[in-house]
Amino acid sequence: SAVISQKPSRDICQRGTSLTIQCQVDSQVTMMFWYRQQPGQSLTLIATANQGSEATYESGFVIDKFPISRPNLTFSTLTVSNMSPEDSSIYLCSAMMPGWNTEAFFGQGTRLTVV
Amino acid sequence: DQQVKQNSPSLSVQEGRISILNCDYTNSMFDYFLWYKKYPAEGPTFLISISSIKDKNEDGRFTVFLNKSAKHLSLHIVPSQPGDSAVYFCAAGSWYSGGGADGLTFGKGTHLIIQP
Repeated sequence: SAVISQKPSRDICQRGTSLTIQCQVDSQVTMMFWYRQQPGQSLTLIATANQGSEATYESGFVIDKFPISRPNLTFSTLTVSNMSPEDSSIYLCSAMMPGWNTEAFFGQGTRLTVV
Repeated sequence: DQQVKQNSPSLSVQEGRISILNCDYTNSMFDYFLWYKKYPAEGPTFLISISSIKDKNEDGRFTVFLNKSAKHLSLHIVPSQPGDSAVYFCAAGSWYSGGGADGLTFGKGTHLIIQP
Protein backbone atom coordinates (compact mmCIF):
# COMPACT_ATOMS: atom_id res chain seq x y z
CA SER A 1 0.00 0.00 0.00
CA ALA A 2 0.97 3.67 -0.17
CA VAL A 3 0.56 6.41 2.39
CA ILE A 4 -0.34 9.79 0.93
CA SER A 5 0.03 13.04 2.84
CA GLN A 6 -1.68 16.22 1.70
CA LYS A 7 -1.04 19.74 2.90
CA PRO A 8 -2.89 21.82 3.93
CA SER A 9 -5.76 19.76 5.28
CA ARG A 10 -8.06 22.75 5.10
CA ASP A 11 -7.96 26.43 4.25
CA ILE A 12 -10.21 29.45 3.95
CA CYS A 13 -9.16 31.75 1.13
CA GLN A 14 -10.21 35.08 -0.29
CA ARG A 15 -11.67 35.14 -3.79
CA GLY A 16 -9.16 36.06 -6.45
CA THR A 17 -6.23 34.46 -4.64
CA SER A 18 -4.49 31.13 -5.35
CA LEU A 19 -3.79 28.10 -3.18
CA THR A 20 -1.21 25.38 -3.79
CA ILE A 21 -1.91 21.93 -2.38
CA GLN A 22 0.97 19.54 -1.85
CA CYS A 23 0.82 15.75 -2.13
CA GLN A 24 3.60 13.50 -0.86
CA VAL A 25 3.62 9.71 -1.34
CA ASP A 26 5.78 7.49 0.85
CA SER A 27 6.94 5.40 -2.10
CA GLN A 28 7.59 5.84 -5.78
CA VAL A 29 4.40 5.50 -7.80
CA THR A 30 3.82 5.42 -11.50
CA MET A 31 0.58 7.33 -11.59
CA MET A 32 -0.78 10.27 -9.59
CA PHE A 33 -4.12 11.98 -10.02
CA TRP A 34 -6.06 14.94 -8.64
CA TYR A 35 -9.79 14.82 -7.89
CA ARG A 36 -12.41 17.21 -6.63
CA GLN A 37 -15.42 16.43 -4.48
CA GLN A 38 -17.96 19.20 -4.40
CA PRO A 39 -20.46 19.30 -1.55
CA GLY A 40 -22.83 16.34 -1.70
CA GLN A 41 -21.28 15.06 -4.91
CA SER A 42 -19.05 12.21 -5.97
CA LEU A 43 -15.38 12.44 -6.81
CA THR A 44 -14.54 13.99 -10.17
CA LEU A 45 -11.17 13.58 -11.87
CA ILE A 46 -9.41 16.88 -12.54
CA ALA A 47 -6.20 15.66 -14.17
CA THR A 48 -3.48 13.06 -14.36
CA ALA A 49 -0.17 14.35 -13.00
CA ASN A 50 2.52 13.10 -15.38
CA GLN A 51 6.05 12.91 -14.08
CA GLY A 52 8.33 15.22 -16.00
CA SER A 53 5.70 16.46 -18.42
CA GLU A 54 2.53 18.51 -18.57
CA ALA A 55 -0.54 17.17 -16.79
CA THR A 56 -3.44 15.68 -18.74
CA TYR A 57 -6.70 17.47 -17.94
CA GLU A 58 -10.26 16.18 -18.07
CA SER A 59 -13.01 17.96 -19.88
CA GLY A 60 -14.04 21.06 -17.98
CA PHE A 61 -10.67 21.60 -16.31
CA VAL A 62 -7.87 23.73 -17.75
CA ILE A 63 -4.23 24.27 -16.94
CA ASP A 64 -4.57 28.00 -16.35
CA LYS A 65 -7.07 27.38 -13.57
CA PHE A 66 -5.52 24.22 -12.09
CA PRO A 67 -1.78 24.13 -12.82
CA ILE A 68 -0.17 20.89 -11.69
CA SER A 69 3.43 19.95 -11.13
CA ARG A 70 5.00 16.55 -10.69
CA PRO A 71 8.77 16.89 -10.39
CA ASN A 72 9.41 13.28 -9.31
CA LEU A 73 7.75 9.95 -8.60
CA THR A 74 6.67 10.79 -5.04
CA PHE A 75 5.45 14.40 -5.12
CA SER A 76 2.87 16.55 -6.88
CA THR A 77 1.19 19.91 -6.39
CA LEU A 78 -2.16 21.29 -7.51
CA THR A 79 -2.77 25.02 -7.59
CA VAL A 80 -6.28 26.43 -7.58
CA SER A 81 -5.89 29.82 -9.25
CA ASN A 82 -7.96 33.00 -9.13
CA MET A 83 -10.41 31.34 -6.77
CA SER A 84 -14.14 31.97 -6.62
CA PRO A 85 -16.73 30.57 -4.18
CA GLU A 86 -17.56 27.89 -6.79
CA ASP A 87 -14.11 26.40 -6.18
CA SER A 88 -15.06 25.52 -2.61
CA SER A 89 -14.58 21.75 -2.55
CA ILE A 90 -12.51 18.95 -1.19
CA TYR A 91 -9.44 18.36 -3.35
CA LEU A 92 -7.89 14.90 -3.24
CA CYS A 93 -4.61 13.49 -4.43
CA SER A 94 -4.42 9.84 -5.49
CA ALA A 95 -1.67 7.39 -6.37
CA MET A 96 -2.16 4.16 -8.24
CA MET A 97 -0.26 0.89 -8.02
CA PRO A 98 -0.79 -1.17 -11.15
CA GLY A 99 -1.07 -4.88 -10.78
CA TRP A 100 -3.27 -7.91 -10.94
CA ASN A 101 -5.54 -6.38 -8.35
CA THR A 102 -5.18 -2.71 -9.03
CA GLU A 103 -4.99 -0.51 -5.98
CA ALA A 104 -5.44 3.24 -5.86
CA PHE A 105 -4.92 5.24 -2.67
CA PHE A 106 -6.02 8.68 -1.61
CA GLY A 107 -4.76 11.40 0.63
CA GLN A 108 -6.98 12.75 3.37
CA GLY A 109 -8.06 15.64 1.18
CA THR A 110 -7.84 19.41 1.38
CA ARG A 111 -11.06 21.15 2.32
CA LEU A 112 -11.07 24.52 0.59
CA THR A 113 -13.54 27.28 1.37
CA VAL A 114 -13.46 30.42 -0.76
CA VAL A 115 -15.07 33.53 0.70
CA ASP B 1 -23.77 10.53 -18.97
CA GLN B 2 -23.05 8.78 -15.71
CA GLN B 3 -20.89 5.76 -16.48
CA VAL B 4 -20.86 4.34 -12.95
CA LYS B 5 -24.11 4.26 -11.03
CA GLN B 6 -24.97 3.47 -7.45
CA ASN B 7 -28.73 3.62 -7.36
CA SER B 8 -29.19 3.26 -3.61
CA PRO B 9 -28.28 6.46 -1.77
CA SER B 10 -28.55 4.64 1.55
CA LEU B 11 -28.77 1.16 3.01
CA SER B 12 -29.56 0.08 6.56
CA VAL B 13 -28.39 -3.34 7.80
CA GLN B 14 -28.48 -4.99 11.18
CA GLU B 15 -25.18 -5.71 12.87
CA GLY B 16 -23.95 -9.24 12.14
CA ARG B 17 -25.94 -9.57 8.93
CA ILE B 18 -24.69 -9.30 5.36
CA SER B 19 -24.44 -5.91 3.67
CA ILE B 20 -24.75 -5.93 -0.12
CA LEU B 21 -23.87 -2.76 -2.00
CA ASN B 22 -24.58 -2.60 -5.70
CA CYS B 23 -23.03 -0.78 -8.62
CA ASP B 24 -23.85 -0.69 -12.33
CA TYR B 25 -21.73 0.60 -15.17
CA THR B 26 -22.28 1.39 -18.81
CA ASN B 27 -18.77 1.38 -20.28
CA SER B 28 -17.78 -2.16 -21.25
CA MET B 29 -14.18 -1.00 -21.75
CA PHE B 30 -13.46 -0.65 -18.03
CA ASP B 31 -10.57 -2.91 -17.03
CA TYR B 32 -10.92 -2.90 -13.26
CA PHE B 33 -13.26 -1.89 -10.51
CA LEU B 34 -12.65 -0.73 -6.96
CA TRP B 35 -14.62 -0.14 -3.79
CA TYR B 36 -13.87 2.61 -1.30
CA LYS B 37 -15.12 3.47 2.14
CA LYS B 38 -15.28 7.09 3.19
CA TYR B 39 -15.85 8.76 6.51
CA PRO B 40 -16.65 12.49 6.71
CA ALA B 41 -13.57 14.73 6.64
CA GLU B 42 -11.34 11.87 5.49
CA GLY B 43 -10.10 10.68 2.14
CA PRO B 44 -11.52 7.49 0.60
CA THR B 45 -10.05 4.28 2.01
CA PHE B 46 -9.34 1.55 -0.53
CA LEU B 47 -11.17 -1.69 0.31
CA ILE B 48 -10.93 -4.13 -2.55
CA SER B 49 -10.61 -4.26 -6.32
CA ILE B 50 -11.34 -6.70 -9.10
CA SER B 51 -10.00 -7.11 -12.60
CA SER B 52 -12.52 -7.29 -15.43
CA ILE B 53 -11.31 -10.78 -16.25
CA LYS B 54 -12.34 -12.11 -12.84
CA ASP B 55 -15.78 -12.65 -11.39
CA LYS B 56 -14.92 -12.69 -7.71
CA ASN B 57 -12.32 -11.35 -5.33
CA GLU B 58 -12.29 -11.87 -1.60
CA ASP B 59 -10.39 -10.17 1.21
CA GLY B 60 -11.44 -10.99 4.74
CA ARG B 61 -14.99 -9.82 5.34
CA PHE B 62 -15.17 -8.14 1.93
CA THR B 63 -16.05 -9.89 -1.32
CA VAL B 64 -16.60 -8.23 -4.66
CA PHE B 65 -18.57 -9.96 -7.41
CA LEU B 66 -18.47 -8.90 -11.03
CA ASN B 67 -21.09 -9.82 -13.63
CA LYS B 68 -19.76 -8.50 -16.91
CA SER B 69 -22.73 -9.53 -19.00
CA ALA B 70 -25.01 -7.50 -16.74
CA LYS B 71 -22.41 -4.73 -16.24
CA HIS B 72 -22.99 -5.07 -12.53
CA LEU B 73 -20.81 -5.49 -9.49
CA SER B 74 -21.55 -5.84 -5.83
CA LEU B 75 -19.69 -5.61 -2.56
CA HIS B 76 -20.60 -8.06 0.18
CA ILE B 77 -19.61 -7.36 3.77
CA VAL B 78 -20.02 -10.31 6.14
CA PRO B 79 -20.59 -9.96 9.01
CA SER B 80 -21.46 -6.28 9.16
CA GLN B 81 -19.99 -4.35 12.07
CA PRO B 82 -20.81 -0.91 13.52
CA GLY B 83 -17.50 0.46 12.20
CA ASP B 84 -18.65 -0.33 8.68
CA SER B 85 -21.09 2.57 8.81
CA ALA B 86 -19.76 4.97 6.15
CA VAL B 87 -20.30 6.04 2.56
CA TYR B 88 -19.16 3.42 0.04
CA PHE B 89 -18.05 4.41 -3.44
CA CYS B 90 -17.78 2.17 -6.46
CA ALA B 91 -15.16 3.21 -9.02
CA ALA B 92 -13.96 1.97 -12.41
CA GLY B 93 -10.86 2.50 -14.50
CA SER B 94 -9.11 1.56 -17.71
CA TRP B 95 -5.57 0.85 -18.77
CA TYR B 96 -4.12 2.33 -21.89
CA SER B 97 -1.29 1.17 -24.07
CA GLY B 98 2.16 1.82 -22.66
CA GLY B 99 1.22 0.73 -19.16
CA GLY B 100 -0.58 3.85 -18.02
CA ALA B 101 -4.07 4.23 -16.67
CA ASP B 102 -6.91 6.67 -16.79
CA GLY B 103 -8.11 8.17 -13.56
CA LEU B 104 -11.10 6.58 -11.90
CA THR B 105 -14.78 7.17 -12.60
CA PHE B 106 -16.80 7.15 -9.40
CA GLY B 107 -20.40 6.42 -8.55
CA LYS B 108 -22.29 8.78 -6.26
CA GLY B 109 -21.93 6.57 -3.24
CA THR B 110 -24.16 4.58 -0.89
CA HIS B 111 -24.45 5.50 2.76
CA LEU B 112 -24.34 2.25 4.73
CA ILE B 113 -25.80 2.35 8.21
CA ILE B 114 -25.19 -0.60 10.51
CA GLN B 115 -27.82 -0.82 13.21
CA PRO B 116 -27.08 -2.51 16.55
